[in-house]
Amino acid sequence: KQEVTQIPAALSVPEGENLVLNCSFTDSAIYNLQWFRQDPGKGLTSLLLIQSSQREQTSGRLNASLDKSSGRSTLYIAASQPGDSATYLCAVRPANAGNMLTFGGGTRLMVKP
Amino acid sequence: NAGVTQTPKFRVLKTGQSMTLLCAQDMNHEYMYWYRQDPGMGLRLIHYSVGEGTTAKGEVPDGYNVSRLKKQNFLLGLESAAPSQTSVYFCASTDRYYSGNTIYFGEGSWLTVV
Repeated sequence: KQEVTQIPAALSVPEGENLVLNCSFTDSAIYNLQWFRQDPGKGLTSLLLIQSSQREQTSGRLNASLDKSSGRSTLYIAASQPGDSATYLCAVRPANAGNMLTFGGGTRLMVKP
Repeated sequence: NAGVTQTPKFRVLKTGQSMTLLCAQDMNHEYMYWYRQDPGMGLRLIHYSVGEGTTAKGEVPDGYNVSRLKKQNFLLGLESAAPSQTSVYFCASTDRYYSGNTIYFGEGSWLTVV
C-alpha cells in the first residue's frame, strides 16, 4: 500500500527566506506526483505536476523535484512571502490506481513579515 | 464559473442522524471523488465514481454511501452518523483523460457529529 509522508508538519520562517518542503513515498511505481496548496477554509489548488519520467518542474518562485527511485520529492520556494502562508500537500498517483491520488499529511507553512 | 460546488458548507449532527452532502460540477467531468481530511492525515478517499450510474469504494468507505444518478452530481450519504465521522469533506472531479493539472476541488464541507 502506498504511503506518503511530509516533513516537517509545520514550518515558520521569516519573509525572504528560501525554503524546502519534503515529501516521501513508499512505492516508486507512480504515474506522477503533484503538489497542492490549501488555504484555510478552502479547497486544494494544484501548483505543480511532475510526471514519473521528469526530474523537476518550475512555476515562478516554485520548483519541484522528483527522485522516483528513492521515493522523494521536494518543493523549493524562493524568496518566501507572507502570501505563501498555507498548507502544502503532495500527492502521488500510483501507476495502477486509475485516477486516484494518495495524499501526504501536509506541511503548514507560515511566513512572517 | 462555478467549478465544483459542495453543499452544505457546515453542519452539526447528533449521533445516529443521517444526512447527505451534495457535490455538483459544471465541467462535464467523468470522474468524481469524495475525500475526507482529518488533522495531520492528508486527504483519504472515501468513494469515487468513473461515470454516471457507477460508484466504487475508496480507502475508507465504511459508514458512507454514494450515488451518481446524474453526471454532474455526486452525493455522499451518512446513514447513521458517528463522532468518528467528524471531519472536513472534499469533493473533486477530473475528466476521463486526467492529465493531473485538471483536478478541481470544492471548498469543503465541515461536519461535526456530537
